Amino acid sequence: QKEVEQNSGPLSVPEGAIASLNCTYSDRVSQSFFWYRQYSGKSPELIMSIYSNGDKEDGRFTAQLNKASQYVSLLIRDSQPSDSATYLCAVNRYSSASKIIFGSGTRLSIRP
Amino acid sequence: AAGVIQSPRHLIKEKRETATLKCYPIPRHDTVYWYQQGPGQDPQFLISFYEKMQSDKGSIPDRFSAQQFSDYHSELNMSSLELGDSALYFCASSSPGGLLKAFFGQGTRLTVV
Repeated sequence: QKEVEQNSGPLSVPEGAIASLNCTYSDRVSQSFFWYRQYSGKSPELIMSIYSNGDKEDGRFTAQLNKASQYVSLLIRDSQPSDSATYLCAVNRYSSASKIIFGSGTRLSIRP
Repeated sequence: AAGVIQSPRHLIKEKRETATLKCYPIPRHDTVYWYQQGPGQDPQFLISFYEKMQSDKGSIPDRFSAQQFSDYHSELNMSSLELGDSALYFCASSSPGGLLKAFFGQGTRLTVV
């Protein structure tokens, strides 16, 4: 079992709709959680970070964290074609402070 | 704003050769991470440095070594290259007490032929 699990997709969402991306992690002592967006052949780009239970909103993006369920999600409102990319969930393990572990990523496709 | 700089951007090497990848972190960032990403795969953690000391080690082959220098730049040295080493290599850096928000460089695409 991978430490960070994501559905690989592809997830297809119509333009203007809400895209919902999910991630689970196995290490209960994980402290920091991140969502990166990666276009093909490009480097991961940090779009959201979340550290405490609840929701965190930034523009069209909302990250949700539930530590009891070991679950983190990303909602993208008003999806745009430019949101089509692979979204990587990443977690920091408290026991290894300088080691961020990535999930396999979910491919998101926004159809016009 | 300054970002993480990696060089070279592209590198072609033959089997059994040696390659050196360089990473210049964002100014005042004290932690550097190296990741390897094969086609269609997620980034695999190789190694990290905090304040010029190795901090954590992942799935880095013994043929690879890395270090962080006094100016905080880091180099990944890869010897006896194999075809399977062909991948994108990313460097990332994070700031002191920055809750480990890591920002990535543009990557080096290594092709071993």
